[in-house]
Amino acid sequence: DTGVSQDPRHKITKRGQNVTFRCDPISEHNRLYWYRQTLGQGPEFLTYFQNEAQLEKSRLLSDRFSAERPKGSFSTLEIQRTEQGDSAMYLCASSLGQDVNIQYFGAGTRLSVL
Amino acid sequence: GQNIDQPTEMTATEGAIVQINCTYQTSGFNGLFWYQQHAGEAPTFLSYNVLDGLEEKGRFSSFLSRSKGYSYLLLKELQMKDSASYLCAVLDSNYQLIWGAGTKLIIKP
Repeated sequence: DTGVSQDPRHKITKRGQNVTFRCDPISEHNRLYWYRQTLGQGPEFLTYFQNEAQLEKSRLLSDRFSAERPKGSFSTLEIQRTEQGDSAMYLCASSLGQDVNIQYFGAGTRLSVL
Repeated sequence: GQNIDQPTEMTATEGAIVQINCTYQTSGFNGLFWYQQHAGEAPTFLSYNVLDGLEEKGRFSSFLSRSKGYSYLLLKELQMKDSASYLCAVLDSNYQLIWGAGTKLIIKP
């Protein structure tokens, strides 16, 4: 068990460019979550998957954000036409989806939009 | 609306005890979590409470009172490595985690 891994760890991009992040969850976990976190704040929920199905998406998430989990294993989060306000840490977490549902986090991808 | 309140920052001395409080108002309650987050790193799970009372795990303990919408995290025998942010999160009626902004704990020698 190598834990949740995210790639890349850091991404610097220019405003208007598209970026894609990858998350590999813990292998037997069927739930996968994406969060955004800015300095001094707690994680902000973006979306989550149960296996390959995207079950919920935050109303705060604009149409520029899309996430996939095509085979129920790894997931990608794409941001189109990035804006400076998208600069944040993007965290991925996974869980077994059982009663206690402890979420285990990856180290995150830090996005800087110039 | 849903709200989780915790102090922004606390300072404590190495070897001492510190209590970090969390109050919550959420649509439903299915458990409360505490996570530790070192700067630039991922949150790591510390504790989970769903019933009233105290859960002890080594130097860390977590308490819950559902009727008061209140929890605290107690850290004993503080070590310098305990300097981190401590995040309180509540699982609401939709089984969605609602997060507080975190308490930055500074440990001084």
